Amino acid sequence: AQKITQTQPGMFVQEKEAVTLDCTYDTSDPSYGLFWYKQPSSGEMIFLIYQGSYDQQNATEGRYSLNFQKARKSANLVISASQLGDSAMYFCAMRGSNDYKLSFGAGTTVTVRA
Amino acid sequence: NAGVTQTPKFQVLKTGQSMTLQCAQDMNHNSMYWYRQDPGMGLRLIYYSASEGTTDKGEVPNGYNVSRLNKREFSLRLESAAPSQTSVYFCASSYRDGTYNEQFFGPGTRLTVL
Repeated sequence: AQKITQTQPGMFVQEKEAVTLDCTYDTSDPSYGLFWYKQPSSGEMIFLIYQGSYDQQNATEGRYSLNFQKARKSANLVISASQLGDSAMYFCAMRGSNDYKLSFGAGTTVTVRA
Repeated sequence: NAGVTQTPKFQVLKTGQSMTLQCAQDMNHNSMYWYRQDPGMGLRLIYYSASEGTTDKGEVPNGYNVSRLNKREFSLRLESAAPSQTSVYFCASSYRDGTYNEQFFGPGTRLTVL
C-alpha cells in the first residue's frame, strides 16, 4: 500500500517569492508515479505536474517544478514567482504500477500575500 | 469538450434517503473513478471502473454502489444515506492504467446528509 505524507498544513508566501511544498511517500512498488494537484477555493482539482519513478530528470511545468529525491522518497513541489492566484490547497498524490487509485496526502494550504 | 461533468453540484438529503450522483466524460477515457473528500484527509477512492463493463471496490466502498452505464457514464448511488456520507464527491477519468495517466476530475458534488 502507498502512503503520502504532507506535513505542512498551511503556508504563507509573499507575492513573487518561491515556495516549496513538502511531500514524502512510502511504497514497495518499484514503478510509480507522483502527481501534484491544485484545488482553489472553487473546489475543482487541477493537475499540475507529474514525475515518474524512473524519470532521470526532475519534472518542470512553467512555474512549477518537482524536486524528486528518490532515495529519500520525497517529491517536493516548488512554485516560483508566486502569484495571488496560487492561493489554494495543494495535494501530492501517488499511483503504483498495479494500482488504479491515486493515494492522496492530506494537502497543504498556500496563501499568497500581496 | 466539457471534460468530466457531474450532477448535481449540491445536494441535501435526510438520513435514509437515496440518491444517484451522475458523472460523464467526453474524452473517450477507459477508466473512471469516484472519490470522496473529507477535511484533512485528502481524497479517498470509493469505487472505480477500469473499463466499460467492469467495476471494483476502492478504499471506502461501504454504503455505495456504482454503475458503469457505458464508456462515457459512471454513476454512484447511495441507497440509504447516513450523516457519515456528508462529503464532497469527485468523479475522475483517465485514458488507461499505468503510472503516468493523469486523472481528470469533475467539479465535485457537495453532499450534506442531515
